[in-house]
Amino acid sequence: GAVVSQHPSRVICKSGTSVKIECRSLDFQATTMFWYRQFPKQSLMLMATSNEGSKATYEQGVEKDKFLINHASLTLSTLTVTSAHPEDSSFYICSATGVANQPQHFGDGTRLSIL
Amino acid sequence: QKEVEQDPGPLSVPEGAIVSLNCTYSNSAFQYFMWYRQYSRKGPELLMYTYSSGNKEDGRFTAQVDKSSKYISLFIRDSQPSDSATYLCAMSRVYGGATNKLIFGTGTLLAVQP
Repeated sequence: GAVVSQHPSRVICKSGTSVKIECRSLDFQATTMFWYRQFPKQSLMLMATSNEGSKATYEQGVEKDKFLINHASLTLSTLTVTSAHPEDSSFYICSATGVANQPQHFGDGTRLSIL
Repeated sequence: QKEVEQDPGPLSVPEGAIVSLNCTYSNSAFQYFMWYRQYSRKGPELLMYTYSSGNKEDGRFTAQVDKSSKYISLFIRDSQPSDSATYLCAMSRVYGGATNKLIFGTGTLLAVQP
């Protein structure tokens, strides 16, 4: 149980384009979803937290207009990287939890490369 | 000082060895402690989940939490080459609301040699 699917797994695109990443909870209702960013050989850095039907809460230093998050249903959250640039290249990972203070379950991540 | 400290390794052991992975933390408000395993280019996979102090065993894995020392451990018995991965500790405070922000260690890279 507790499967989280993330799509796409790999994206390569030109500078200036926008990229949408989807995160789905397949077998549970995710009241809260989290978006992380991970650089090579570093740990996960939380970018934002989203609750279904509410605006996302962004961590300090994360531009909300750059990283648009939508959590429109209990099984789907999306992260859109707008006007992406090479410095946005990274490994983006989502996680989901269905009950307060229960473990987060992670997707397999999206490797984003901006040329 | 980081809230969670974890030796990044790499840690190399022979197959069959007992592996000990550790994290220390500074915030006594943490109540939930987790260990995740992350293979290269994959998302973290939850291995163990413990609330407050004590031990928890699941197959070859044992998680220990010592809140008085602010120290958590993960032991892997009879280690296998397939255990080679990065192991991340994570912890969170008790929240009354609907979120539980995880604070991660930097991860320890483990290599089990056949």
